[in-house]
Amino acid sequence: AQRVTQPEKLLSVFKGAPVELKCNYSYSGSPELFWYVQYSRQRLQLLLRHISRESIKGFTADLNKGETSFHLKKPFAQEEDSAMYYCALSGQDNYGQNFVFGPGTRLSVLP
Amino acid sequence: DSGVTQTPKHLITATGQRVTLRCSPRSGDLSVYWYQQSLDQGLQFLIQYYNGEERAKGNILERFSAQQFPDLHSELNLSSLELGDSALYFCASSVFRGSGELFFGEGSRLTVL
Repeated sequence: AQRVTQPEKLLSVFKGAPVELKCNYSYSGSPELFWYVQYSRQRLQLLLRHISRESIKGFTADLNKGETSFHLKKPFAQEEDSAMYYCALSGQDNYGQNFVFGPGTRLSVLP
Repeated sequence: DSGVTQTPKHLITATGQRVTLRCSPRSGDLSVYWYQQSLDQGLQFLIQYYNGEERAKGNILERFSAQQFPDLHSELNLSSLELGDSALYFCASSVFRGSGELFFGEGSRLTVL
């Protein structure tokens, strides 16, 4: 079964500190992993996806298939990074593509 | 703008009432998903449709129902509303076949008094 876990419900860091939001998944095939961000009860928007291997707003995430992890990292957190972050997995089954979201981690960057 | 349109943006109603939330997916997207987000809670998957047919069901109450029409827009019907149904309801769409991201609407904020 597909599953995404985010162990931290809330993560607080000071401005300028490094931040890492953890995400682990379980999936038998080759998944596609995403990070979505939600600012101040706005719509969810894609932050980054593992296949693009790019850095968005200073955030990066590396897919580690051995550890089945897709942690989100930023070396120097900014106050505007405060938001809800969701890790998501997209897989394929007999019915086509599907998405599974983790429970989310609320990041609070303190001044 | 994600291309996913949801109406109404805000809705205030009383307990016991029935409401309908509407979603228009991005042009070309065949799959529509509905999620519920209660205050300070994460996303709760409700239901997914693909090209008019129900594809997957999550934690959707029996008082709730949904459908996807031939023009691919979708409606989520919430009946016998309770205070606990107050939440932000998101619709999302995707291409469905192949890989791709999920595009979210701005959500419909429902307040049940």
